[in-house]
Amino acid sequence: AQSVTQLDSQVPVFEEAPVELRCNYSSSVSVYLFWYVQYPNQGLQLLLKYLSGSTLVKGINGFEAQFNKSQTSFHLRKPSVHISDTAEYFCAVTEKSFQKLVFGTGTRLLVSP
Amino acid sequence: DGGITQSPKYLFRKEGQNVTLSCEQNLNHDAMYWYRQDPGQGLRLIYYSQIVNDFQKGDIAEGYSVSREKKESFPLTVTSAQKNPTAFYLCASSTLQAGQPQHFGDGTRLSIL
Repeated sequence: AQSVTQLDSQVPVFEEAPVELRCNYSSSVSVYLFWYVQYPNQGLQLLLKYLSGSTLVKGINGFEAQFNKSQTSFHLRKPSVHISDTAEYFCAVTEKSFQKLVFGTGTRLLVSP
Repeated sequence: DGGITQSPKYLFRKEGQNVTLSCEQNLNHDAMYWYRQDPGQGLRLIYYSQIVNDFQKGDIAEGYSVSREKKESFPLTVTSAQKNPTAFYLCASSTLQAGQPQHFGDGTRLSIL
């Protein structure tokens, strides 16, 4: 069965600094990978997804993620963060059966001035 | 604008009481989902439905029930059998082709009195 590990529960960073949120997964078959963002007391919003093709995926709000099959990772990056990026970020994986989307435990990004 | 409406935003339940959480979508999506979110645990799938009058159990269905009488509506009942119902509940929807939840509601926070 697939699983997702988000190694950092919280990442503090200063505004305009770069950030990387780490995500590792385990699966015995090919997977689809996703990053979602959740603002306080709201639902989740899809940031980006990897289904196939280029391993560098660009998403909304200036975020991008790099799929690395050999390291089973899908780290999320942004070259310069804003205060408004403060939120919780979830990595998720599915083995092509959409109802089996498995979420990580989330990483809280805290951007300060 | 199309979207998902969850109501109420906050809900309180007495011991031994059943409560129903509402989820309505006007996106014409076939698939709908219910997730439970607990601090530090990410999201876990309770139930999902791909078509009217049909639904399947997710990973943590015990103590919950659902119905799908209309395409637009997917209410979740938290029964008295659910011994630890305090959580944030999220409803989501997608097309069948999407492969993952595309839109989320803003959630219902359920607490025990």
